[in-house]
Amino acid sequence: NAGVTQTPKFQVLKTGQSMTLQCAQDMNHNSMYWYRQDPGMGLRLIYYSASEGTTDKGEVPNGYNVSRLNKREFSLRLESAAPSQTSVYFCASTVRNEQFFGPGTRLTVL
Amino acid sequence: LAKTTQPISMDSYEGQEVNITCSHNNIATNDYITWYQQFPSQGPRFIIQGYKTKVTNEVASLFIPADRKSSTLSLPRVSLSDTAVYYCLVGDTGYGGSQGNLIFGKGTKLSVKP
Repeated sequence: NAGVTQTPKFQVLKTGQSMTLQCAQDMNHNSMYWYRQDPGMGLRLIYYSASEGTTDKGEVPNGYNVSRLNKREFSLRLESAAPSQTSVYFCASTVRNEQFFGPGTRLTVL
Repeated sequence: LAKTTQPISMDSYEGQEVNITCSHNNIATNDYITWYQQFPSQGPRFIIQGYKTKVTNEVASLFIPADRKSSTLSLPRVSLSDTAVYYCLVGDTGYGGSQGNLIFGKGTKLSVKP
């Protein structure tokens, strides 16, 4: 039981490049989330998916797209990366009010 | 949306009891109160959750007064390893755990000294 896994762990992009952050959970949870955390700040919700086939915007969705591929996987895509998207990205899955977080992806956009 | 207010930072010494209070004046009837702990370079980790009165587990206690407009996380006899950021969240669990309205905020940075 790996919990929530994220790939890659680190990534450096140039402005304008695109990439997809992958997240998977093996706990059979319905709800999954993508957050970003900037230095010294709390987590801000980007997108969430209450169940397979549904996605909704969070607090800071601009510049991102998501796909809930199946119940296990929830990916986050940056179509044209910008330096303002330099951050640590956390994926989480939820049962009732307890969120389980992945180890994070540290993304730097130059 | 139930917004929360916590102290930015707190200092303590090993062996002391630490109480972190969170204000949530606009808490709704269906909202639960949940606390998370985050170490540097890691994702947050669930500590405790409650709706009213007192909840205790092996890690912490959560005190919620009758009006539910605030809550206090109590960590007994802290150690150096309790140095972390603690987040208070208020939100409606909903059946199936849909929590798009959860807001983490900046949390409380607890520093435990020897």
